[in-house]
Amino acid sequence: DAMVIQNPRYQVTQFGKPVTLSCSQTLNHNVMYWYQQKSSQAPKLLFHYYDKDFNNEADTPDNFQSRRPNTSFCFLDIRSPGLGDAAMYLCATSRDRTSAPTDTQYFGPGTRLTVL
Amino acid sequence: AQKVTQAQTEISVVEKEDVTLDCVYETRDTTYYLFWYKQPPSGELVFLIRRNSFDEQNEISGRYSWNFQKSTSSFNFTITASQVVDSAVYFCALSIFSGGYNKLIFGAGTRLAVHP
Repeated sequence: DAMVIQNPRYQVTQFGKPVTLSCSQTLNHNVMYWYQQKSSQAPKLLFHYYDKDFNNEADTPDNFQSRRPNTSFCFLDIRSPGLGDAAMYLCATSRDRTSAPTDTQYFGPGTRLTVL
Repeated sequence: AQKVTQAQTEISVVEKEDVTLDCVYETRDTTYYLFWYKQPPSGELVFLIRRNSFDEQNEISGRYSWNFQKSTSSFNFTITASQVVDSAVYFCALSIFSGGYNKLIFGAGTRLAVHP
């Protein structure tokens, strides 16, 4: 089955210790997104890649970076995690980003990050 | 303002009851898309439905049905004969065109608990 996969499902890191979360997709979609979802809140878009074109949301902290080495993989790097970065991180993909219905986003299972 | 309001924070029902989740949106766009996603305890956001602004026909899929009314800017979701497996957080979302691409604006979500 075509899908969006995130690893690991649970990640524990220490305050200030860099951490990388990964996302892969077999849908062959052009667009990959990273969202942050804190407890009892809606997902918040951090950034997205349209092919290799990186698009940062204006309010995404500099502490968050992303890499997309190829169509299938995308990584979220948190350079110096703080306690406030503890959240669920969701990866999503869409075939396109401007032409509905191809911009429907499909989500992975998420990685729950704990910062000690 | 472009936003989505889900006024019901939590709903609790007993199995086999019907339940309606409300969604009210605001947008200045004449062409837009509305979505419903389900987020079970496992964390993955599951796409349920997409509806464009020109299609006001109600839709039914098994026990799920959606009522879209542009006159009241509402896109409500009804689960008939609810089951325990329907327990989840449900997000309504609006797709808006911003910064050169479509992005999702999520409501705050409604947590549905279905008890046996």
